[in-house]
Amino acid sequence: NAGVTQTPKFRVLKTGQSMTLLCAQDMNHEYMYWYRQDPGMGLRLIHYSVGEGTTAKGEVPDGYNVSRLKKQNFLLGLESAAPSQTSVYFCASSYSATGLQETQYFGPGTRLLVL
Amino acid sequence: AQSVTQPDIHITVSEGASLELRCNYSYGATPYLFWYVQSPGQGLQLLLKYFSGDTLVQGIKGFEAEFKRSQSSFNLRKPSVHWSDAAEYFCAVGPMKASYDKVIFGPGTSLSVIP
Repeated sequence: NAGVTQTPKFRVLKTGQSMTLLCAQDMNHEYMYWYRQDPGMGLRLIHYSVGEGTTAKGEVPDGYNVSRLKKQNFLLGLESAAPSQTSVYFCASSYSATGLQETQYFGPGTRLLVL
Repeated sequence: AQSVTQPDIHITVSEGASLELRCNYSYGATPYLFWYVQSPGQGLQLLLKYFSGDTLVQGIKGFEAEFKRSQSSFNLRKPSVHWSDAAEYFCAVGPMKASYDKVIFGPGTSLSVIP
């Protein structure tokens, strides 16, 4: 049981390049989330998914796209990377929306540097 | 507006000393409250959470937190800090009967432990 895994762990991009971050969970969770973490700002929600084939915008969705083609995977895409997207990206998952009584599990993070 | 503040950006304590990390929130109703810990290079791990009932909540790793409605606070405490407690700590709040997309994270408090 690996929990939540993220690929890659670290990446350097040039401005304008594209990339996809992969999140995978093996806990059969319905809900998955993508956050970014910036110094002094805590975690901010980018996009989330309430189930296979669904996606929704979070607090800071601009410049990102997501897809949830399989229940266990949640992909975060950057079509044209900008320096402002330099950040640490965390994926998380939880069993259902009924609640916050369900624990949310986080991946180890992907550190992205955009030059 | 809903918000979470952690007044201390960085705290340094000696090993064996007691610890208190502050968290204040602004919320329209009684919220769900969480404390997470993030060790270097790791994702967030849930320490404890408060939903209702006893306002003193016990968590993992010897941590506890007290919900004080009158002060809109949810401070985290530990009686004796270990060197392995050095990490970033995040307070988070969310509404009752909601999902994690509605949870707001504080900016974090970085804890250093002097041997």
